[in-house]
Amino acid sequence: KAGVTQTPRYLIKTRGQQVTLSCSPISGHRSVSWYQQTPGQGLQFLFEYFSETQRNKGNFPGRFSGRQFSNSRSEMNVSTLELGDSALYLCASSLVSWDTQYFGPGTRLTVL
Amino acid sequence: QKEVEQDPGPLSVPEGAIVSLNCTYSNSAFQYFMWYRQYSRKGPELLMYTYSSGNKEDGRFTAQVDKSSKYIYLFIRDSQPSDSATYLCAMSAENNNDMRFGAGTRLTVKP
Repeated sequence: KAGVTQTPRYLIKTRGQQVTLSCSPISGHRSVSWYQQTPGQGLQFLFEYFSETQRNKGNFPGRFSGRQFSNSRSEMNVSTLELGDSALYLCASSLVSWDTQYFGPGTRLTVL
Repeated sequence: QKEVEQDPGPLSVPEGAIVSLNCTYSNSAFQYFMWYRQYSRKGPELLMYTYSSGNKEDGRFTAQVDKSSKYIYLFIRDSQPSDSATYLCAMSAENNNDMRFGAGTRLTVKP
């Protein structure tokens, strides 16, 4: 069974731009969660989607948003990028909300 | 004070050593406890999963949860160079997908 895939793997943007990251969960998984990983703050939960609905949200500003499609694929959008948004963005999928999560390889975003 | 505290290390041990990693937490609501392994430039990989208290063993890995002291542990027996990675603890409350992670401990096992 194919694992979680994330595209693109690497991205370079400049301050003020916006970015969209994509995540395809493991086939059959309906829950997708997004995390931000930085050396200083570690792994931080952004939000979780299940059946196209946001179920949980972490403590991030409104510039961070997401959505989930009917095929469970998910996108995350960050608007008005700031230097501090440079991070590894990880997506994790699980069968249902609150189940064992499987992580993708991440998208490394660099904001210049 | 962070909800989950984990010593970032780095920790360096010789091959064959027993490795002991731990995390402490402050939120009594946490019921689900996990250990992830993350190799460089990869996403975290679930190693061990424990509900509530107790021990769980899987091959060379043993996870232990002590809710009375609010500590969780991961023991690695007969450590191998391939175990060199960052180990992250994670935990969550009942029916809550908002997992909280430790900072991760970087482990190096030297041949």
